[in-house]
Amino acid sequence: GEDVEQSLFLSVREGDSSVINCTYTDSSSTYLYWYKQEPGAGLQLLTYIFSNMDMKQDQRLTVLLNKKDKHLSLRIADTQTGDSAIYFCAENSGTYKYIFGTGTRLKVLA
Amino acid sequence: NAGVTQTPKFQVLKTGQSMTLQCAQDMNHNSMYWYRQDPGMGLRLIYYSASEGTTDKGEVPNGYNVSRLNKREFSLRLESAAPSQTSVYFCASSEMTAAPRQTQYFGPGTRLLVL
Repeated sequence: GEDVEQSLFLSVREGDSSVINCTYTDSSSTYLYWYKQEPGAGLQLLTYIFSNMDMKQDQRLTVLLNKKDKHLSLRIADTQTGDSAIYFCAENSGTYKYIFGTGTRLKVLA
Repeated sequence: NAGVTQTPKFQVLKTGQSMTLQCAQDMNHNSMYWYRQDPGMGLRLIYYSASEGTTDKGEVPNGYNVSRLNKREFSLRLESAAPSQTSVYFCASSEMTAAPRQTQYFGPGTRLLVL
């Protein structure tokens, strides 16, 4: 069935780049999302990519999509302590239905 | 422009009690959603409303009811709370349920503990 998998934890030093990975199974996914959840808060939309794109860049964020391997990554350049949060990957085939990953907890060390 | 708001922020219930979680959006979105978030799991859809006047079951609807009160408001009701309903509940909205306007925006969540 449909599934989205992410590693649970990632720890990086302030100023380094972070790369958060995600794999999905639904080949009909046309939109792939990254959301950020800070402690005690809701999910904040960071960015999304269409399935016909390989890469999308938005300031410090770079999203890479390998459609053949069904692999999505989020790179955060110059990671700051304010980037510490849980990052969720989600796939969507253009309907109401989102499939969310379990989230990757990013810890940024000063 | 507050986006999606939810009340209450926190709630403690005893088993068997009932309560209603409130959600409102000011983005003039047609579609609204209720999710639950449990440790080690992604968000799971409880119910959604594609447009005012319609509601449909999601992945985990048992034990819940919803009301789409008007275009702005979508409430979630627990008639007889159970410990298994201890969770964080998120409301979300989107312009529509179909591409390219299906991107969902989330509220801050309600943390519910059922004893």
